[in-house]
Amino acid sequence: DVKVTQSSRYLVKRTGEKVFLECVQDMDHENMFWYRQDPGLGLRLIYFSYDVKMKEKGDIPEGYSVSREKKERFSLILESASTNQTSMYLCASVSGTNYEQYFGPGTRLTVT
Amino acid sequence: QKEVEQNSGPLSVPEGAIASLNCTYSDRGSQSFFWYRQYSGKSPELIMSIYSNGDKEDGRFTAQLNKASQYVSLLIRDSQPSDSATYLCAVISYGQNFVFGPGTRLSVLP
Repeated sequence: DVKVTQSSRYLVKRTGEKVFLECVQDMDHENMFWYRQDPGLGLRLIYFSYDVKMKEKGDIPEGYSVSREKKERFSLILESASTNQTSMYLCASVSGTNYEQYFGPGTRLTVT
Repeated sequence: QKEVEQNSGPLSVPEGAIASLNCTYSDRGSQSFFWYRQYSGKSPELIMSIYSNGDKEDGRFTAQLNKASQYVSLLIRDSQPSDSATYLCAVISYGQNFVFGPGTRLSVLP
C-alpha cells in the first residue's frame, strides 16, 4: 500500500526559528513535491525534486529551501519562520510511470 | 498561464442521487487527469486517474474525459453523506508540473 509520511501533524514555532519538515515515502518514487495549502489560494507548489540531490523551485520558493539526500526522503526547510508561513504543508510522491500523486497527511504549521 | 477551473460550490445533492463534478482546463497538451477527494483538515486522497478519452469506472465513481472540449468530469453514483468533501481536479502535461483546480465542495444531504 502506498505510504507517504510527514514528521509532524501539528507544529507551533516562533518567528525567526528555523523549521524542518520531513517527508518519507516507501514507494521508490523518484519524484517528490512540497505544497502549501491556504484557504482561497488552493494548492501552491513550493519545491520539487525529480531525483536524489536534485531540486527545482516551484511557484513560491521564497523563504524556503529543500534537501533530498536519499530517494525516500524530501525535507522542507523554513530558514527563518515568519507569520505568513502559517499554513498546511503537504508533501507528495509521484509515480514516474502513471503520474499518480500521493499525498502525506500534512503538517499544519503555526508561526507565532 | 495554464489553468484548471472548477465550480467552487457548494454542490448539494440528496443521499442516493448522482453527484456530477466538472473541470475544464486550458492547456491542450495536457495528458493526465486526476480527481482527489479532500475532507476538511485532511490531505487530498487520489480517487481516480484518467488518461484517454471516454469513461473510466471504479465502484461508484466514473471519470469522463473529453480532450477536444478540454473537459473532465467525475460522477458519484448513490451519493452518501460520507462523500461530502472538496473534490480537486488536477492536470499534468508532459514536462510540466501538476495544475490543480480550486476544488468543488460537495455536500450530500441525508
